[in-house]
Amino acid sequence: EAQVTQNPRYLITVTGKKLTVTCSQNMNHEYMSWYRQDPGLGLRQIYYSMNVEVTDKGDVPEGYKVSRKEKRNFPLILESPSPNQTSLYFCASSPLRISGGGSTDTQYFGPGTRLTVL
Amino acid sequence: GDSVTQMEGPVTLSEEAFLTINCTYTATGYPSLFWYVQYPGEGLQLLLKATKADDKGSNKGFEATYRKETTSFHLEKGSVQVSDSAVYFCALTSGGYNKLIFGAGTRLAVHP
Repeated sequence: EAQVTQNPRYLITVTGKKLTVTCSQNMNHEYMSWYRQDPGLGLRQIYYSMNVEVTDKGDVPEGYKVSRKEKRNFPLILESPSPNQTSLYFCASSPLRISGGGSTDTQYFGPGTRLTVL
Repeated sequence: GDSVTQMEGPVTLSEEAFLTINCTYTATGYPSLFWYVQYPGEGLQLLLKATKADDKGSNKGFEATYRKETTSFHLEKGSVQVSDSAVYFCALTSGGYNKLIFGAGTRLAVHP
C-alpha cells in the first residue's frame, strides 16, 4: 500500500531536549516536505527536499533541521525544542515534475505527529 | 506573496443540506488549485484539484471550478452526509514548485 508513515504519532517533551520525528514514504517520490498545522493558520511549510542530499528552507524553518540521506526517509530534527514548537506536524511526499505553472501533482500526507513541548 | 483565503468555520449543517465553502486566492502566474480534506485523527488527503482556468474538479459528490476572473475555487456539494464531517483546506501551488500554500481550513460538522 502506498503510504507515508510518521513516528511517533504523539510526543510530549520538555524544553531543550533534542528530538527527531521520522518520516518514510514507499512511493519512490523525489519531493518530500514537512508542514506544521496551527489553529487559524492552516499548514505552513517548514523544510522541503527535492532529492537525496538536496534540502531547503520553507516558510517557517527556525528551530528545525532536516536531512535526506536516503530517498525514502526525511526526518525532522528539533535540536532544542521550545513551547512555541508545540504543534501538529505533517510529512508529505510527491513526484517532482518541474512545470511553468504550479505543480499539478497530488501530495501524500502522513498521519501527523502531535508534539507538545512543556 | 501567494496566499489563500477561505471562509471561517465551523460550518454546521443538517444531513442532505447543500454545502458551499468559499475559497479565494492570490497568486502570480498560473497556479494549480486543490481541496484537501482532513478527517478526525488523520492526515490530509486530496479531495479534488483543478490545474487551469475553467477546469472543474470533482470527487465523492464534491465539485469546485477554477475561476480565474474572480480568483476563486469554491467547494460545493449538493447533499452532505454525516461522514463528510471533517476539516477542508483550500490550497495552491505556483511558480513551478511543489510547495502547497494553504488556507486556514474550514471545519464542517454534519448532523443527522
